[in-house]
Amino acid sequence: AQSVAQPEDQVNVAEGNPLTVKCTYSVSGNPYLFWYVQYPNRGLQFLLKYITGDNLVKGSYGFEAEFNKSQTSFHLKKPSALVSDSALYFCAVRDRAGFQKLVFGTGTRLLVSP
Amino acid sequence: SAVISQKPSRDICQRGTSLTIQCQVDSQVTMMFWYRQQPGQSLTLIATANQGSEATYESGFVIDKFPISRPNLTFSTLTVSNMSPEDSSIYLCSASRGDTEAFFGQGTRLTVV
Repeated sequence: AQSVAQPEDQVNVAEGNPLTVKCTYSVSGNPYLFWYVQYPNRGLQFLLKYITGDNLVKGSYGFEAEFNKSQTSFHLKKPSALVSDSALYFCAVRDRAGFQKLVFGTGTRLLVSP
Repeated sequence: SAVISQKPSRDICQRGTSLTIQCQVDSQVTMMFWYRQQPGQSLTLIATANQGSEATYESGFVIDKFPISRPNLTFSTLTVSNMSPEDSSIYLCSASRGDTEAFFGQGTRLTVV
């Protein structure tokens, strides 16, 4: 069965510094990987995805993620954090052979301080 | 992308009653899903809403408690039946088209008193 681990409940970073939110996955076969962001009292917003091709994926709001097959990781990164990036971030995986349902990690709260 | 509208956005209900949540997508989609989320926590898939047939439920969720309809390719409903305080949660509708990302509604915040 597919699964996703987000080892950090919370990540704190100062505005202007680079940020990384970690994600590792487990799936049989090649995965589809996703990052979503959730602001308070809102639904999930899609940030980026890895389906195939380049291991470095660029997404919305300046975020990017690197797919590493050997380490089964898909860490979310941004070169320079903004206070407005403070939110709850979810990594999700879908087995390509599956029925398109997503399995989500537990979420990581990102706090960017001014 | 797709825009998903969910109604109601929030509700406070008496225990023992039922609430039906509506999900409308602005264009045809292949798959529709219903998730439950405790505030600040992860999402748990309740079921996949199948167009024209019975929904596919995940372990721990049953049709009698969470009946789901999907009469066409853009609309689905989730009913939370015979509610108890343990059903207080955020319910999220999601949709996707084939090999693309899934989109989410804004959620329905349900409080059962």
